[in-house]
Amino acid sequence: DAGVTQSPTHLIKTRGQQVTLRCSPKSGHDTVSWYQQALGQGPQFIFQYYEEEERQRGNFPDRFSGHQFPNYSSELNVNALLLGDSALYLCASARDRGLYTEAFFGQGTRLTVV
Amino acid sequence: SQQGEEDPQALSIQEGENATMNCSYKTSINNLQWYRQNSGRGLVHLILIRSNEREKHSGRLRVTLDTSKKSSSLLITASRAADTASYFCATASNTGKLIFGQGTTLQVKP
Repeated sequence: DAGVTQSPTHLIKTRGQQVTLRCSPKSGHDTVSWYQQALGQGPQFIFQYYEEEERQRGNFPDRFSGHQFPNYSSELNVNALLLGDSALYLCASARDRGLYTEAFFGQGTRLTVV
Repeated sequence: SQQGEEDPQALSIQEGENATMNCSYKTSINNLQWYRQNSGRGLVHLILIRSNEREKHSGRLRVTLDTSKKSSSLLITASRAADTASYFCATASNTGKLIFGQGTTLQVKP
């Protein structure tokens, strides 16, 4: 079982550019959530995808968008990058929206905006 | 926004000692989970305790939950240098969304 895999591992982008991060959930999981973790802080919930729809959203602007594919993998897109978007982006997968079971996290994508 | 407040923010102990971390939260929960993070990498799930449970054990880990006080604690017994990491509590609502605390940084000295 490969667990949750994220790509790329590291990424450097310029202010104003757009970025796409990818996540493959753990086998048997149908729910993917994305989190942003700034240095020295706990992860902050961005949004959750289940059945190819965004089910919940945290306090993030519309520049943050996502998608879930029929095979449950997911993408996180961030447009018009700001310096403040520099962070570790974590993907978590779970079964049945994670209502009663633990979430498993990938190793994250370290995004640096310069 | 962060729901949880973790205490202490940093903890330094000797190998073999016990480490206790506390977490408080504000709203009602479905369950509470504890995670470990090494050097800014991914989060590793440690243990999940449901809102109707009061105590749970897993190996050297012991978690308690007091829903009346909206608090939880994580005890790591007989700590090892490999336990050095950041530890986060996360509360799960009835929608599955996880809200994390700021974390406790644990250093275990050999």
